[in-house]
Amino acid sequence: DTGVSQDPRHKITKRGQNVTFRCDPISEHNRLYWYRQTLGQGPEFLTYFQNEAQLEKSRLLSDRFSAERPKGSFSTLEIQRTEQGDSAMYLCASSLTRGLDNEQFFGPGTRLTVL
Amino acid sequence: SQQGEEDPQALSIQEGENATMNCSYKTSINNLQWYRQNSGRGLVHLILIRSNEREKHSGRLRVTLDTSKKSSSLLITASRAADTASYFCATDAQLKGEKLTFGTGTRLTIIP
Repeated sequence: DTGVSQDPRHKITKRGQNVTFRCDPISEHNRLYWYRQTLGQGPEFLTYFQNEAQLEKSRLLSDRFSAERPKGSFSTLEIQRTEQGDSAMYLCASSLTRGLDNEQFFGPGTRLTVL
Repeated sequence: SQQGEEDPQALSIQEGENATMNCSYKTSINNLQWYRQNSGRGLVHLILIRSNEREKHSGRLRVTLDTSKKSSSLLITASRAADTASYFCATDAQLKGEKLTFGTGTRLTIIP
């Protein structure tokens, strides 16, 4: 257990529905990241926050995706009008700014299946 | 897109043997990290090596980094059944922000 929690762990939804995932980072960590991982591949970066500011978004993050981190604590990732191609594991990670080191601690992930 | 490649894609060895996996990447980096992932689970951080370091040890793990060749290796000595997992390298590219870019992973199987 890294101290990063994600909820839910599994989500099955029908195409076209909206889904929202939550991530609770390690409490003192100021950075929070979202990644997506498909079967047989490494995680791919989606977006990251420093405190409450969203500082970078990948072009993978279409306009159907939105992420928030109100008050710089937990974060939510929402996918609107889900498509079958959104089926993947969504991973959250957090880190503490410390020079150039960027050791990220990952949560267990939310596995999304879009039918 | 993936930053680099792990090699081999899959590796099976007998318990007690050493396992070596390699990672290549494409851009200049601040540091390189190795992560382990058990099937269907989150990633566990193993070790971080900075761009000005050439070798680092942690328990049964030994990591090397060759920035001139843009490559790294992870050696697991005296392997155990519990080491069965996928192993990923991840780089934190200079001047590109703090995101990690992962390779495609090596699937390691330890045969008891």
